Amino acid sequence: SQQGEEDPQALSIQEGENATMNCSYKTSINNLQWYRQNSGRGLVHLILIRSNEREKHSGRLRVTLDTSKKSSSLLITASRAADTASYFCATVPPTSGTYKYIFGTGTRLKVLA
Amino acid sequence: NAGVMQNPRHLVRRRGQEARLRCSPMKGHSHVYWYRQLPEEGLKFMVYLQKENIIDESGMPKERFSAEFPKEGPSILRIQQVVRGDSAAYFCASSERSYTGELFFGEGSRLTVL
Repeated sequence: SQQGEEDPQALSIQEGENATMNCSYKTSINNLQWYRQNSGRGLVHLILIRSNEREKHSGRLRVTLDTSKKSSSLLITASRAADTASYFCATVPPTSGTYKYIFGTGTRLKVLA
Repeated sequence: NAGVMQNPRHLVRRRGQEARLRCSPMKGHSHVYWYRQLPEEGLKFMVYLQKENIIDESGMPKERFSAEFPKEGPSILRIQQVVRGDSAAYFCASSERSYTGELFFGEGSRLTVL
């Protein structure tokens, strides 16, 4: 089954507003990562948060991690039209002998100019 | 510093033909992952390889699909006797270290089976 599930599936906001998307996962993790995918392109890494961290910032991005609830959120502040993309969380469950990154179903963000 | 290179970017095959997708990881990266993506969906893990070794192929169908990452040259994802359901985007990613680092993705190979 899918390790990560993003919520909402789709989000439409006005330029300048903040966008928040959430990711829930099922098992314990080593770390959780967020990626962006522009239409027709490959994924680009945005930010990594380790299991012993609670919050991390990178530019206009803020990520939180709650391991007790097995959830993470990605906040994009002061959104721009160029932020229009799909956003995925990825986790690496610490199962023995395998380090496959499991991606969620994604949140499709549309920022209207 | 070239990124992950995938080719071909687009591939059209008729049912029953073979598809070969190539991936050259970033320089210095010895870990390669293959993922499959259907339109409007997330990425499904297929296989994880290190140089000359398949580490985890739990996401790859046992029939018709194979992957390799030779000592020299790119990683190859091979799909034999393609069917319409194989139509998808196939992404390759590489990393410097397993499980701790970020993945660097190629632009994908889009396979269309007629």
